[in-house]
Amino acid sequence: EPEVTQTPSHQVTQMGQEVILRCVPISNHLYFYWYRQILGQKVEFLVSFYNNEISEKSEIFDDQFSVERPDGSNFTLKIRSTKLEDSAMYFCASSETLGTQPQHFGDGTRLSIL
Amino acid sequence: RKEVEQDPGPFNVPEGATVAFNCTYSNSASQSFFWYRQDCRKEPKLLMSVYSSGNEDGRFTAQLNRASQYISLLIRDSKLSDSATYLCVVAGSSASKIIFGSGTRLSIRP
Repeated sequence: EPEVTQTPSHQVTQMGQEVILRCVPISNHLYFYWYRQILGQKVEFLVSFYNNEISEKSEIFDDQFSVERPDGSNFTLKIRSTKLEDSAMYFCASSETLGTQPQHFGDGTRLSIL
Repeated sequence: RKEVEQDPGPFNVPEGATVAFNCTYSNSASQSFFWYRQDCRKEPKLLMSVYSSGNEDGRFTAQLNRASQYISLLIRDSKLSDSATYLCVVAGSSASKIIFGSGTRLSIRP
C-alpha cells in the first residue's frame, strides 16, 4: 500500500536555527498538509497546500514557517528560527481530493529544540 | 465551545467488552467526519469514515447525528490490539483543514 514518508524521523536543533522537515506524499495525491502534535496534546492543523500554493493556514503557521514543493515528489516544511515551543511531532499528510476524502499520514518527524 | 470535543477517558475495559465513544462538534457546516486511531507516539491512522446513514466495518460501527452535531463509535468484542487513542476528526467549514478532537484513550485488559 502506498504511504507518505517523512525524514528525518528525529531532528534535534539548537534554538534559533533553521530546520527543514521533508515529506514525500503519495504519488497520485494532489493535496498536502502539515500538522503538529505537542507531546500529550492534540493534533493541530498547520497548513494545506494545493497546486503549488498554500490553500489555508492556521494561526500557528506564522512568518517563521514556510512550505515548498521543490520538485515533483518532495513537500517540505521550513521553520526559520526555531523556538523551544516548536518542539513537537510534525506530521505530513496527503489526500487525493479535498475534504471528503480521508488524509493519509506519514509517521512523523520528532523535532526537539534545545 | 471546543470545535471538536471528546471524553478524554481513559476507558479501561476487559477483552470482549463493547465500548462506545462520543464526540460533538460545534460547526454545523462541517462536511466530513472520520474516526482515526493513534497508538502511542505514532501517526494517526484512519479507522473509518462516518456517513450520514451510519456505517459498519467489522466490529466497528460509526453513527452521525447532524441535528445534534454528534458522532459516535462503537467497538464490539474488543481485542487487546484495540488499545489506542481514538480521535474524532471533522472536516472544517473550509474543507482544506480537518480538526482533531483531543482523543479518547482506550485500554483493553486481558
